[in-house]
Amino acid sequence: DGGITQSPKYLFRKEGQNVTLSCEQNLNHDAMYWYRQDPGQGLRLIYYSQIVNDFQKGDIAEGYSVSREKKESFPLTVTSAQKNPTAFYLCATYRAPYNEQFFGPGTRLTVL
Amino acid sequence: DQQVKQNSPSLSVQEGRISILNCDYTNSMFDYFLWYKKYPAEGPTFLISISSIKDKNEDGRFTVFLNKSAKHLSLHIVPSQPGDSAVYFCAASASGAGSYQLTFGKGTKLSVIP
Repeated sequence: DGGITQSPKYLFRKEGQNVTLSCEQNLNHDAMYWYRQDPGQGLRLIYYSQIVNDFQKGDIAEGYSVSREKKESFPLTVTSAQKNPTAFYLCATYRAPYNEQFFGPGTRLTVL
Repeated sequence: DQQVKQNSPSLSVQEGRISILNCDYTNSMFDYFLWYKKYPAEGPTFLISISSIKDKNEDGRFTVFLNKSAKHLSLHIVPSQPGDSAVYFCAASASGAGSYQLTFGKGTKLSVIP
């Protein structure tokens, strides 16, 4: 089955701890994206990667870091520098010539 | 500065009637527009899209209309069904941007009342 996997579905962390969210895809898509969703805020782009070993900051990259060592994987680390990390995090992929992004099921991160 | 705006945070419609969701954009470089549907605690799913060379695209109960001069698009759902209750996001992309990115609106929560 082709798809995007984000694990875990729910994640709890204490304030001040770094946490890494997983995103894996077997769609053979080149580009991958991380968004966060807050109530009433829509989807805001954190980071994106068009190819392996390359990634770019999105609109709200502060306090986050990513890596893209494999085409299939694009993990997101939420660092202690992120002031308000509690949110719903979505991973997405894209491959030309399709015109839409495909989304994973999301991870709900709660920082206590 | 919001480049894609969905000014109605919520909309309630009776089952069987038409639902009209609106979206405005400010960036003239946008040339492709998409609608996504999202249920709580799930990822968005693609619903329908339209290129700027068209003014209408239809797929079953869903039709998207684009008015380029007004920088406005709308999603029509006819007839509305209770299963359509979800948050709908409007998104836009610019083909000349060098990388494929979507800019999303804040979403409209549609409630279809049985």
